[in-house]
Amino acid sequence: DGGITQSPKYLFRKEGQNVTLSCEQNLNHDAMYWYRQDPGQGLRLIYYSQIVNDFQKGDIAEGYSVSREKKESFPLTVTSAQKNPTAFYLCASSLTGYGNQPQHFGDGTRLSIL
Amino acid sequence: QQQVKQSPQSLIVQKGGISIINCAYENTAFDYFPWYQQFPGKGPALLIAIRPDVSEKKEGRFTISFNKSAKQFSLHIMDSQPGDSATYFCAAPMIYNQGGKLIFGQGTELSVKP
Repeated sequence: DGGITQSPKYLFRKEGQNVTLSCEQNLNHDAMYWYRQDPGQGLRLIYYSQIVNDFQKGDIAEGYSVSREKKESFPLTVTSAQKNPTAFYLCASSLTGYGNQPQHFGDGTRLSIL
Repeated sequence: QQQVKQSPQSLIVQKGGISIINCAYENTAFDYFPWYQQFPGKGPALLIAIRPDVSEKKEGRFTISFNKSAKQFSLHIMDSQPGDSATYFCAAPMIYNQGGKLIFGQGTELSVKP
């Protein structure tokens, strides 16, 4: 079945540590996205990529980094510069990056601070 | 910053009743307005979407109504069921950098009482 796989489901970060969240899709979609979800704040865009080897900052990119070396993969690193990383992180993909196509979401990674 | 304003924030409906969630947007890059449904611990899933060459789209118990002049669209859930209890997000495409992106509303937590 085609879809988006996020791992791990739960992740814990120590102070000063970088952690990487995995996102893989087998939908052959060009565009991929990372969102952060906090209670009562909807979905906020962290980074997005419209094509391999290219990515753009979203609304809340500070303290995060990404790479897009393969079409299927879009990992997100939460760096130690992100002072409030506790949140539910969602990865999504769409056929194109123009905003007029449905986005398909993974089941998220919940990140907490130890 | 471009916004999509969603209301109400939470909604309690009796089984068999009608659930109505409203969204208002500012400007859009394209005419494409999706609604997503999210259950706890899961990623959002596309529920229904409208491309407004029509003012209304119905799929089963779910209906989107669209008012382009007022820049508003709404989701109606007829004969609401306890299984419909979830968080609902509207979204609208906005111009962003060289492409577009979906801007999400802040979500409505729906609870359907048996």
